[in-house]
Amino acid sequence: NAGVTQTPKFQVLKTGQSMTLQCAQDMNHNSMYWYRQDPGMGLRLIYYSASEGTTDKGEVPNGYNVSRLNKREFSLRLESAAPSQTSVYFCASSSPRGSGGNTEAFFGQGTRLTVV
Amino acid sequence: AQSVTQPDIHITVSEGASLELRCNYSYGATPYLFWYVQSPGQGLQLLLKYFSGDTLVQGIKGFEAEFKRSQSSFNLRKPSVHWSDAAEYFCAVGARAAGNKLTFGGGTRVLVKP
Repeated sequence: NAGVTQTPKFQVLKTGQSMTLQCAQDMNHNSMYWYRQDPGMGLRLIYYSASEGTTDKGEVPNGYNVSRLNKREFSLRLESAAPSQTSVYFCASSSPRGSGGNTEAFFGQGTRLTVV
Repeated sequence: AQSVTQPDIHITVSEGASLELRCNYSYGATPYLFWYVQSPGQGLQLLLKYFSGDTLVQGIKGFEAEFKRSQSSFNLRKPSVHWSDAAEYFCAVGARAAGNKLTFGGGTRVLVKP
C-alpha cells in the first residue's frame, strides 16, 4: 500500500527559483493538506483542500500556491523561493468520518527543501 | 480558531520509567483529538485518536491518552518506556466544522536514558 506519496524527497533551490512539490494519495480520501515543519514550531498548515475542486488557505499561505488536480493529487508550488521557505514539507490526506468529523490524517514521508 | 499547546519541549526519561506528555487544546465545540509520533527523518505515525465515547483511549505501542473536557486536556501516557520510544510527539486537534483540517501543537521531544 503506497498511502501518501510525495516527490521529491530532497531539493536544493536558489533564491528566486520556482518548483512544484507533488503529492498523491491512493486511499480515496476527500481532504488533502500541505504542512511545513520547522524546529520548535510543530507542523503549520499552508493550504488544504477539503474536497476535490476546493482549496483554502491555512496558517502560513504566503509565498505558496496549490492545485487540487483531481481527487488523488494535490501539488504545492513555490513561485519564487526564499530562504525563509527552507523547511520540511509534509503532505497529508484524510476523509470525513461519517457525519461526525474527520478521520486521522495520513502523512507522506516529507520533502526536505533548502533554499540558498 | 482551534489551537494546541504542548507545554514541554523536551522530556528525558529513564528506560522502564513512566511517561506523561501534556496537551491542552482550545476549540469551541467537541474536539477530535490525535497523538502522532515522529521518529528522526520520518513522517508522522498515528498513535491514537479520540472522537467520542470513552474518555480513556488506547493506542499502539502501549500508549494511552485521557480526554478531560473540564481541563481541555488530552495527555498521553505510557507506563514503561522503551528505548525505541525516543522520538518527537505531536498532539493535534481537528473538527469537521473547520474543513477537516488538523492543528498541531509544537511537539515534545522525548529522550530515553538507558
